[in-house]
Amino acid sequence: EVQLVESGGGLVQPGGSLRLSCAASGFTFSSYEMNWVRQAPGKGLEWVSYISSSGSTIYYADSVKGRFTISRDNAKNSLYLQMNSLRAEDTAVYYCARAVTWGQGTLVTVSS
Amino acid sequence: EIVLTQSPDFQSVTPKEKVTITCRASQSIGSSLHWYQQKPDQSPKLLIKYASQSISGVPSRFSGSGSGTDFTLTINSLEAEDAAAYYCHQSSSLPDTFGQGTKLEIK
Repeated sequence: EVQLVESGGGLVQPGGSLRLSCAASGFTFSSYEMNWVRQAPGKGLEWVSYISSSGSTIYYADSVKGRFTISRDNAKNSLYLQMNSLRAEDTAVYYCARAVTWGQGTLVTVSS
Repeated sequence: EIVLTQSPDFQSVTPKEKVTITCRASQSIGSSLHWYQQKPDQSPKLLIKYASQSISGVPSRFSGSGSGTDFTLTINSLEAEDAAAYYCHQSSSLPDTFGQGTKLEIK
């Protein structure tokens, strides 16, 4: 069974940093491209970032470009999102996704 | 970026009614359109993938159709547990994009 489990969320002050992780299991992680998607409280779904299976191709939403960094470790079956210079508007549940399969999400709250 | 526009934004319906939610893409996306259901404090649950492919464990009253730019999610004989937000999602071209959502209220 395909499983994606996010971790690393929490409360952080504006300007701070967090690193999210996504542990993948039940499939050959190194063969799949992955995404991060987020959902602010009471709002819709927003794509954040994409990484190809090898990690050689990466894209970001304009709203996070220059502040967030996506990466992966295929040996550890793990996906990451390094989030720097966090803003209040980054407050959201962050999901890692393989195509149409999503994890349960991890909540990031940016507040003083 | 491909824009997905759902309609309606909100619908109040009675049990056993048939519900249709539409999703229109700003350009052709073939069949790379997926539908999710999301209940409060839960992650999105996949209902239909690639426009019309059913998902194991999803009740048969949920069905999808369409291709190109126009897609439909149909819920036959609505049940109280179907109260939720529904989203469409395209994976035809990066970046993936989502519809704004349709909130379904059960009267």
